[in-house]
Amino acid sequence: GDSVTQMEGPVTLSEEAFLTINCTYTATGYPSLFWYVQYPGEGLQLLLKATKADDKGSNKGFEATYRKETTSFHLEKGSVQVSDSAVYFCALPNRDDKIIFGKGTRLHILP
Amino acid sequence: GAGVSQTPSNKVTEKGKYVELRCDPISGHTALYWYRQSLGQGPEFLIYFQGTGAADDSGLPNDRFFAVRPEGSVSTLKIQRTERGDSAMYLCASSLGGRAGTDTQYFGPGTRLTVL
Repeated sequence: GDSVTQMEGPVTLSEEAFLTINCTYTATGYPSLFWYVQYPGEGLQLLLKATKADDKGSNKGFEATYRKETTSFHLEKGSVQVSDSAVYFCALPNRDDKIIFGKGTRLHILP
Repeated sequence: GAGVSQTPSNKVTEKGKYVELRCDPISGHTALYWYRQSLGQGPEFLIYFQGTGAADDSGLPNDRFFAVRPEGSVSTLKIQRTERGDSAMYLCASSLGGRAGTDTQYFGPGTRLTVL
């Protein structure tokens, strides 16, 4: 079945460092791809999405490009801030129209 | 505007007891979802409502779990004869439509259930 694999955390970086969180997927067809974020004490929220191959989703300085050739959707940010500390989930809708989430990657940004 | 709300935020119960978890979706959202998130894992689908009816309950783990949405708004997830393995964060989400690929799901803060 469809699945998502993302890098294990926690990931600890200093403020202003470059961030990459890897995500690869297995899916039937070419589904939309999502990154969700869960800030401490808050609900999951959609960070960005891409709906087709080569699309780039972006929001709050984060970017991810839908790579069909490598079945990847890596999350990147050029200069992280302490406020980016959260858990990040890569996800996709499967053929039954249910969202399949990765296990999440906890990100700690040190001031 | 108001987002998705869930009550209680925390629930501690004893093994064998019955619990109810409540979700209040965003007004006007016809689709409502329940997920379960265990520690260190991503959310896992439990059940999806479109309006008042359960359109897909294939994620419910067994018949101890049941959910209702009688008026097409508030939903209640009910767990009978709770077991320690039911301990998890229970998340609710709502969306305007029921297409997971195109209709953004908005999540509540969750209810953390602990079964002693």
